Formats: sequence, C-alpha cells, structure tokens
Amino acid sequence: QSALTQPASVSGSPGQSITISCTGTSNDVGGYNYVSWYQQHPGKAPKLMIYDVNKRPSGVSNRFSGSKSANTASLSISGLQAEDEADYYCSSYTSSSTHVVFGGGTTLTVL
Amino acid sequence: QLQLQESGPGLVKPSETLSLTCTVSGGSVSSTNYYWGWIRQPPGKGLEWIGSIYYSGSIYYNPSLKSRVSISVDRSKNQFSLRLSSVTAADTAVYYCARHSFVGRLGYLKSFDSWGQGTLVAVSS
Repeated sequence: QSALTQPASVSGSPGQSITISCTGTSNDVGGYNYVSWYQQHPGKAPKLMIYDVNKRPSGVSNRFSGSKSANTASLSISGLQAEDEADYYCSSYTSSSTHVVFGGGTTLTVL
Repeated sequence: QLQLQESGPGLVKPSETLSLTCTVSGGSVSSTNYYWGWIRQPPGKGLEWIGSIYYSGSIYYNPSLKSRVSISVDRSKNQFSLRLSSVTAADTAVYYCARHSFVGRLGYLKSFDSWGQGTLVAVSS
C-alpha cells in the first residue's frame, strides 16, 4: 500500500481537461510544498512534470499544472492530447523516517 | 545535457547481492546542489524509492530496505552505485538512477529531475 493515495485510473477525451488527485497527510503533502508529479509512458523512464507543487521544469507544456489544498495535491492537464496517455505518479517529501513517498500511480486514458 | 546510465547484471540468484552502477555524464556527482538516487519499479507496479547519496557521503535510505541496501559514490569515476543484499524474487524490478534535488539548508529531499533509462534485474535461480 502506497503512502500517497491516487485514483487508479482517469480518462478524458481529446481537448478536455482532467485532474488527478494525490492524498497524503500533514506529514507529507499537507506539511510541505515539495510535491512532484511524474509522467511515465510504457517501457520508458518517468519524466518530471511538476515540482514544488506547481512549478514546471523547462520544456514541459503549460497544459500541465499543479496545485495543493490541505493534504491533497492535484495535477491538472488541459487540452488533452493522445500523447498525454500515460501513467502519472505523485511524490512528496515526508517528515517520517521514510523521507520520500510515492503515490500508487494513475493511468490516464485519452478516449 | 545530463545523462545517467545504469549498468550491471540483469540476472541475480536468490540470496545473492544485486550490484548496479550509475554513470553520470554532462554533469558531476560532486555537485553541491544535488543528491543522487536509486528508485525501483517491479513489473506492472509503482515506483519505490531506495535511497539517495550526496557527494560528501551523506545518505538517506528507505527504512524498508535499509538493512539490505548500501549506496556509494565514486567521484573520480563520476559514478554512484547500489548494492542490495539477500535478494529474493520480490526484488525483481526495473532499477532507475536519478538526480535528486533537495532543500540545502534543511536536507529535505525533493524531486527526481533527470532519470536513467532503467535496467531490469531479475532474481531467479
């Protein structure tokens, strides 16, 4: 069982917007602004899409955005494209001895 | 451009030690701005952080693996390495190395901003 809770799957049609949630506790998501989001296509390494809750690395489309409210972080994707179909993982710093926690991952299907 | 490349045996026998090396190019493991980490992903499952090391030797481990894991850094070769002892079939996974950002003054580990391609290690007799 992962420390951070994500929905197993979400779906949307091209052009639509979707949101993926990532729920933790006050020891991780709620207590620190160090939430990251990763995109992973089949057979590929994960790619950093969002860091520090809402910052985008250079080269990442501005269709991707991050936010946080209390113990839940969210990744939003606007203007869905076929290439966005992938697995998405959230991660956070945690004050527990674990230091780093991941969510279980969410499969995004573009219908 | 930073590149990371994992290398090591793709097959390890149960109870033996898994050893992998990550070679960094286009950047330096001696950087004061980053830790260097290992993450694994069992087939069809999610990501699990194993541990991360700083050039000075400061190390953070996942407590669930700490008793079996050792991470080291070789600044002369611009490499860092992973050793996982007493492996079982449950350790079969794709192993990734990655650059790990952190909050300098607090030591909080943050995001993995550059990843290797990953290497599949199977544990089987």
